[in-house]
Amino acid sequence: DAKTTQPNSMESNEEEPVHLPCNHSTISGTDYIHWYRQLPSQGPEYVIHGLTSNVNNRMASLAIAEDRKSSTLILHRATLRDAAVYYCILRDVLAGGTSYGKLTFGQGTILTVHP
Amino acid sequence: EAGVAQSPRYKIIEKRQSVAFWCNPISGHATLYWYQQILGQGPKLLIQFQNNGVVDDSQLPKDRFSAERLKGVDSTLKIQPAKLEDSAVYLCASSLTPSGNNEQFFGPGTRLTVL
Repeated sequence: DAKTTQPNSMESNEEEPVHLPCNHSTISGTDYIHWYRQLPSQGPEYVIHGLTSNVNNRMASLAIAEDRKSSTLILHRATLRDAAVYYCILRDVLAGGTSYGKLTFGQGTILTVHP
Repeated sequence: EAGVAQSPRYKIIEKRQSVAFWCNPISGHATLYWYQQILGQGPKLLIQFQNNGVVDDSQLPKDRFSAERLKGVDSTLKIQPAKLEDSAVYLCASSLTPSGNNEQFFGPGTRLTVL
């Protein structure tokens, strides 16, 4: 599985934007970029995913570099509820092969939000 | 829409005892995953089912762990006998298909403590 690199931790203030970076220099053409987050004592929660173009949903935005070797998850206005571990994961778009679309979690980025 | 259900939420056993976890995925989801999350680490895939067939169990310690999904719906994960290092949160997840273009929905997890 292709690997991602994320900072161990980041801090933000409430109501400010947060940009969480992710490097994935060995990404393949069939890998989707997924972001999940895990709040304390809960299971991971899907945030957003994309292939080539930038994506927006009600939770966040995903900015993907033109060469796809990096991406940034953008939380437009951080709230205390956004404090979590954020995982950037590459996932093969094809069902089948050795990966079967599984999620391979790394250490993630611990986001702390200050009031 | 009901989410992924897991039970029990917490379990404490002594080493060498056996334990079983139950998972009910979201209705209609063909793909079911079991993950193990050790404290301070990201979740690690143990086994993946497509309907009632296993498609990936490469990281399942088969000498002590077993899992089944007999009717392609509910699933059980069993550990027999348990070791101290099995202390972890066991997460169940499901998705419509294994494609990398689908999100995975996670349950709340079962926290296992082996004494």
